[in-house]
Amino acid sequence: GAVVSQHPSRVICKSGTSVKIECRSLDFQATTMFWYRQFPKQSLMLMATSNEGSKATYEQGVEKDKFLINHASLTLSTLTVTSAHPEDSSFYICSVGSLRLFQETQYFGPGTRLLVL
Amino acid sequence: GNSVTQMEGPVTLSEEAFLTINCTYTATGYPSLFWYVQYPGEGLQLLLKATKADDKGSNKGFEATYRKETTSFHLEKGSVQVSDSAVYFCALNAGGTSYGKLTFGQGTILTVHP
Repeated sequence: GAVVSQHPSRVICKSGTSVKIECRSLDFQATTMFWYRQFPKQSLMLMATSNEGSKATYEQGVEKDKFLINHASLTLSTLTVTSAHPEDSSFYICSVGSLRLFQETQYFGPGTRLLVL
Repeated sequence: GNSVTQMEGPVTLSEEAFLTINCTYTATGYPSLFWYVQYPGEGLQLLLKATKADDKGSNKGFEATYRKETTSFHLEKGSVQVSDSAVYFCALNAGGTSYGKLTFGQGTILTVHP
């Protein structure tokens, strides 16, 4: 399977600041990347789907101006949490899929723990 | 809408015990079904999958059968090991306009003691 990395693995920031999380596909070209959010002891909730070179598609209830997603290349997608607030504290996970793979199979990054003080 | 319900954990077993983690789903059409596993400190990994009714997915001694009549995809293993301790997620892909999107259950924590 594909190898996916995320950076940083953990970040603490002050309320009102912006935080960027990177998701990298290390060994294949990812035409599609997914961003999930996971609250403690809860399931993963899909936030948005990004396709390389086009705008991300956000799930209902997810603020696109708050969670900026950029998928400028086939190996990198970034999620920027703008003007973060304590309620944005969560575990953010990305996954990648490729039209050259069976796209139902997603490969997940290890996640980024965000804590907003 | 689509949803996945897993049995609540945590599940604690002794080594070599039999494991069952129940999973039921609600979906329109004919979804594909998955089990993902998340080991401590790692990302989710695909454990097994089934794409149509009566298919059996299997991997590393784990099995799950796609039961359309009961809308279930229960995970089983005949003899668990300490190394199986992890969080297990059941998920579905409803296909169609949702192709590629996964809907997850809440996860079940499994702890296996020696």
